[in-house]
Amino acid sequence: DGGITQSPKYLFRKEGQNVTLSCEQNLNHDAMYWYRQDPGQGLRLIYYSQIVNDFQKGDIAEGYSVSREKKESFPLTVTSAQKNPTAFYLCATSSGGTGELFFGEGSRLTVL
Amino acid sequence: GESVGLHLPTLSVQEGDNSIINCAYSNSASDYFIWYKQESGKGPQFIIDIRSNMDKRQGQRVTVLLNKTVKHLSLQIAATQPGDSAVYFCAELLYGGATNKLIFGTGTLLAVQP
Repeated sequence: DGGITQSPKYLFRKEGQNVTLSCEQNLNHDAMYWYRQDPGQGLRLIYYSQIVNDFQKGDIAEGYSVSREKKESFPLTVTSAQKNPTAFYLCATSSGGTGELFFGEGSRLTVL
Repeated sequence: GESVGLHLPTLSVQEGDNSIINCAYSNSASDYFIWYKQESGKGPQFIIDIRSNMDKRQGQRVTVLLNKTVKHLSLQIAATQPGDSAVYFCAELLYGGATNKLIFGTGTLLAVQP
């Protein structure tokens, strides 16, 4: 929806495995973000990127990694170092103007 | 603690009534605020925004009120409908040099009873 595509929508992983969540946008927005959402809680920022080939850690970056090789793409890898990876992951973009974020539909990761 | 975080504040209203959802923000320097609606299993959707030079802004069936003195936002939904049932988040924009970040509240669950 809204030009932001997250995949897969649901993902199951065994403990100790890395997994990569995809986020693609066709909005031509410069900034992209990854948030984590746990049940009954607000969104917490994992990583964000203002331009290609540059990204910064958010508030809960430990156990995650990202890359921004293309403007359209901002994949998130959940590594085995992330102690509690089961969550709903949201990718967002912004044009850098007002600060409004546009969200994808989310990816739900469950660690078995 | 963790168990408190699992239980969202919930507002239960009858269909047709008006709803008021409240939010306290943390930074007196924030000058841009957004309300988002999140339906179950989906990403948040923009509802309405307001800048700090305003104290009220109206949209279609929604009104946002800003009280900077007490750092308080509210979202009013007129004639609430079953399709309004969702979690509502407020967010404040923090300016930080070259980068700006949106900080989200924990959300309020709006349950509309038919």
